[in-house]
Amino acid sequence: QVQLQESGPGLVKPSQTLSLTCTVSGGSFNSGPYYWTWIRQRPGEGLEWIGYVYYSGGSYYNPSLKSRVTISLDPSKSQFSLKLNSVTAADTAVYYCVRDCFKDRVGMDVWGQGTTVTVSS
Amino acid sequence: IQMTQSPPSLSASVGDRITISCRASQDISNYVAWFQQKPGKAPKSLIYAASSLHSGVPSKFSGSGSGTDFTLNISSLQPEDHATYYCQQYNSYPPTFGPGTTVDIK
Repeated sequence: QVQLQESGPGLVKPSQTLSLTCTVSGGSFNSGPYYWTWIRQRPGEGLEWIGYVYYSGGSYYNPSLKSRVTISLDPSKSQFSLKLNSVTAADTAVYYCVRDCFKDRVGMDVWGQGTTVTVSS
Repeated sequence: IQMTQSPPSLSASVGDRITISCRASQDISNYVAWFQQKPGKAPKSLIYAASSLHSGVPSKFSGSGSGTDFTLNISSLQPEDHATYYCQQYNSYPPTFGPGTTVDIK
């Protein structure tokens, strides 16, 4: 059974870069019809899609964040990562890594438990 | 694509059947998913392609709709169904979510 686990600093200073990693276990990471995705949820708010990376390395980002986001993968470690630069308090959120299966349009089917990131000096 | 949900919240009794509505700002065929988020937890995937249940999801959950209007039904409501339910469109990128419907159990 596939499991996703986020990791990274829980506190980031304003203007710095937020860096998170998602480790995938229990399943195929280097192939398959999956977009490896990041989603965030600001305190008390709904869900915001950040972007995805495909196993070939291709990526797609939310236009609202595109200028600040990079999602990459490390197949040797079964990990994919999120970098969000020039952060402000508005980037304080719970960040989730998610598997999105595009075969048969199954969509987002496996979620990590989430990790809280606070942007504060 | 904007997604709206109604009602924003509802309160129902154990054993009730409830319906949550979701509307898209344009035709999205049947590319709608539903998620359940319990307090302090990550979302859980319930339904994809408007009406297909993810593996392990009990049949008390059902979805329907196409085009712009969709519904999530939950039958035989139980205390563990207390959660916020989100719809999401994935017909076009970026995927977008509805604002959520919070379900309380009386």
